[in-house]
Amino acid sequence: DGGITQSPKYLFRKEGQNVTLSCEQNLNHDAMYWYRQDPGQGLRLIYYSQIVNDFQKGDIAEGYSVSREKKESFPLTVTSAQKNPTAFYLCASKVGGELGYTFGSGTRLTVV
Amino acid sequence: GQQLNQSPQSMFIQEGEDVSMNCTSSSIFNTWLWYKQDPGEGPVLLIALYKAGELTSNGRLTAQFGITRKDSFLNISASIPSDVGIYFCAGPQSGGSNYKLTFGKGTLLTVNP
Repeated sequence: DGGITQSPKYLFRKEGQNVTLSCEQNLNHDAMYWYRQDPGQGLRLIYYSQIVNDFQKGDIAEGYSVSREKKESFPLTVTSAQKNPTAFYLCASKVGGELGYTFGSGTRLTVV
Repeated sequence: GQQLNQSPQSMFIQEGEDVSMNCTSSSIFNTWLWYKQDPGEGPVLLIALYKAGELTSNGRLTAQFGITRKDSFLNISASIPSDVGIYFCAGPQSGGSNYKLTFGKGTLLTVNP
């Protein structure tokens, strides 16, 4: 079955460490996205990529980095420069020309 | 940027009751999407609306695309405990690109059995 997989589901890191969240899709979708979700804040766009080897900053890109070396994969690195990294992170993908996203099941990152 | 305002922010209802929530914007949207997020999971698309005035159903869910194109409504009839979750409205950001969606902050629904 096709889908979008985020791993791990729960992640704990010490303050000051970089951490990379995985996102893989086998839907053959062109575009991929990373969102951050905080209680009461809705979904805020971090980065997105429309094609391989290209990506753009979203609304809250500071302290994050991404790469898109393969169509199937769009990893997100939360760097030590991100001042408040504890959050629920959602990856999504979509087919070009359509509007609806397919979301992964999320990674809850806790930085202590 | 564009903002979507959802109301209410949260609802506490008894099983069997009907639910109404809405989403408004200061700018026009050409498409409205409604998502549901179960606790600890990613959002799932419920209904997509593409035309002003359109009324679309998906089981017990009914959504409407407002005539002004600045609002949308979602109704749930005869609620059940598994309706619990956060409901988001979304629409494509302005600027001609269909690649980015703007999301509302969500309506948290709690259903008491």
